[in-house]
Amino acid sequence: AQSVTQPDIHITVSEGASLELRCNYSYGATPYLFWYVQSPGQGLQLLLKYFSGDTLVQGIKGFEAEFKRSQSSFNLRKPSVHWSDAAEYFCAVGNTGNQFYFGTGTSLTVIP
Amino acid sequence: DAGVIQSPRHEVTEMGQEVTLRCKPISGHDYLFWYRQTMMRGLELLIYFNNNVPIDDSGMPEDRFSAKMPNASFSTLKIQPSEPRDSAVYFCASSPGRGYQPQHFGDGTRLSIL
Repeated sequence: AQSVTQPDIHITVSEGASLELRCNYSYGATPYLFWYVQSPGQGLQLLLKYFSGDTLVQGIKGFEAEFKRSQSSFNLRKPSVHWSDAAEYFCAVGNTGNQFYFGTGTSLTVIP
Repeated sequence: DAGVIQSPRHEVTEMGQEVTLRCKPISGHDYLFWYRQTMMRGLELLIYFNNNVPIDDSGMPEDRFSAKMPNASFSTLKIQPSEPRDSAVYFCASSPGRGYQPQHFGDGTRLSIL
């Protein structure tokens, strides 16, 4: 069975500091991987996606993620966090078998 | 391009009333999904359609919930009768493919059942 895990329920970082949000997946073949962000009162917005090729993926708003097959991970990173990045972040995994799963989300707080 | 459009954005109604949530997917997207989000249970997939046909409704909590997609540009999620525990944010999303394409979300309907 396929699944996706976000180990951190909540993370607090200082504005200007670097950020890494963890995502681990369980799937036998190469998955399709996504990161979404949800700001308060909004729907989920796609930050980036990985289908194949280069394992370092660039997204919107200065985010990037790296696919590491050996670790079954797809962690989201940003070198310098802005106060407006405070939101809920969801990792998701899909496959060609028409399955798509969201993680439980990581809430990010940014302190001045 | 217009994104997924949901209406209403907010709905407050009394227990026992019928509630209808509406969704217009992105044109050309063959898949439509209904999700419910609460603090306790997170994001839950309720049902999804492919080419207007319901494929998996195993997430629908009970018979009080029903969803339809009469055409490619419109879907409804209905709750009848509504109960306070149905209070949540309901999201509609659409996608050109099921597992290998990203889903595009609407802004949601915040539903409060008094």
